[in-house]
Amino acid sequence: QLQLQESGPGLVKPSETLSLTCTVSGGSISSSTYYWGWIRQPPGKGLEWIGNIYYIGNTYYNPSLKSRVTMSLDTSRNQFSLKLSSVTAADTAVYYCASHDATVVTPGDNWGQGNLVTVSS
Amino acid sequence: QSALTQAASVSGSPGQSITVSCTGTSSDVGGYNYVSWFQQHPGKAPKLIIYDVTNRPSGVSNRFSGSKSGNTASLTISGLQAEDEADYYCSSYTSSVSYVFGTGTKVTVL
Repeated sequence: QLQLQESGPGLVKPSETLSLTCTVSGGSISSSTYYWGWIRQPPGKGLEWIGNIYYIGNTYYNPSLKSRVTMSLDTSRNQFSLKLSSVTAADTAVYYCASHDATVVTPGDNWGQGNLVTVSS
Repeated sequence: QSALTQAASVSGSPGQSITVSCTGTSSDVGGYNYVSWFQQHPGKAPKLIIYDVTNRPSGVSNRFSGSKSGNTASLTISGLQAEDEADYYCSSYTSSVSYVFGTGTKVTVL
């Protein structure tokens, strides 16, 4: 059973870059079995898909965030990461990492617990 | 891309059936049979309960069922139980090679 755990700073200053890492256990991020992704949820609001990445490095991003998002894989640490540049208060949210079986078309069938990131000076 | 439209709240008594609707466009819900539904309890991560419009992941109760007609997808919860009280979100694959979520529906068990 895959387990995912987000990590990263809980506070980021406006205009800076938000960086989060998701550590995967119970499976390999180098496997063709899974896609790896990020979803966020502002406090008290709904879910927003940020993007995902496949084991060969193909990335797919939300068109509204594409200019600021970068996702990558670190196979040596079995982690994948998210970078979101030029953040504003509107980027304050709980950020979830998620995975989904490559045969299933869904944002995620296995989710981390979430990491609250606040953008404030 | 705009969020899919869901009613803000739906309620029902224990044992009843309720339906949560999710309306999109021909570029998402209507164009693909890739609608998912997620259940989210307060302070918890979302949980996938329906994928590909009608399929349930292993371990999900058969009281949850999904369907689609045109640009509108629906989630039906039959035999409503207290533990079903949660927020429910739909999601669809889109023509932009991305996903879009619904606005969310709060289900209350009276």
